[in-house]
Amino acid sequence: GQQVMQIPQYQHVQEGEDFTTYCNSSTTLSNIQWYKQRPGGHPVFLIQLVKSGEVKKQKRLTFQFGEAKKNSSLHITATQTTDVGTYFCAGVGGTSYGKLTFGQGTILTVHP
Amino acid sequence: DTGVSQDPRHKITKRGQNVTFRCDPISEHNRLYWYRQTLGQGPEFLTYFQNEAQLEKSRLLSDRFSAERPKGSFSTLEIQRTEQGDSAMYLCASSSSKMGYEQYFGPGTRLTVT
Repeated sequence: GQQVMQIPQYQHVQEGEDFTTYCNSSTTLSNIQWYKQRPGGHPVFLIQLVKSGEVKKQKRLTFQFGEAKKNSSLHITATQTTDVGTYFCAGVGGTSYGKLTFGQGTILTVHP
Repeated sequence: DTGVSQDPRHKITKRGQNVTFRCDPISEHNRLYWYRQTLGQGPEFLTYFQNEAQLEKSRLLSDRFSAERPKGSFSTLEIQRTEQGDSAMYLCASSSSKMGYEQYFGPGTRLTVT
C-alpha cells in the first residue's frame, strides 16, 4: 500500500533559524496536504498542493510539490516560538479519494 | 460554525468491554473520516463516509471495529471486546466535496484500555 515517509523526525532550532521538513511518497499522489499539530492538540490543515511543481507561500511558510508528485517540502523562514509543534504531510493517492496517508511527522522545537 | 466535536474526550475501559465514540462533523460537510493516532505517529486512516455511505474501510481495521453514519450527519465508532492495543487517540475529521479534500479534525477521543 501507499507509504509516506517524512524526515527528519525531530528538529531543534534557535528562534530566528530556518526549518525544513521533507516528505516522500512510495506512489504518485493526486495531491498532498500539510497539517500542524500543537502539543496536546489535533491536526490543523495548513495547505493543499495539487499541481506538479507547485509552490505556495503562507507568510513565512513555503510549500513545494515535486515535479513527479511524489515528494514535498515545507520550509519555515525565521522560526518563532509559535511555530512549535508537529508538522505532518499527508498524501491523497490516485485511487482513494479523500483518504489521507500521513507521514510520521516532524517535531519542531524552537528555543528562544 | 462550531467545528468538529467528539464525545467523550477521554474513555478508560477494561479489556473486553465495548466502547462507542461519537463524532459531530461541521454541519455542511458531507464527508466524514475516522483516524487513529498513537504516540509519536501520524494519524492512521480507519474509515470514510460520504453522506451515509461507508465508502472505504482500512484493511487494518479488525471485525471488532464498526462505524455508522445513519443519517449522513453524526457518526459513531464502536469497538467491541477492547484490547490493550486499541489504546490510542481516535480522531474524527470532516470535509466538503465542494471545497476539495482539506479535512477539519475534531479534538479526538483518547481511549485507554486497562
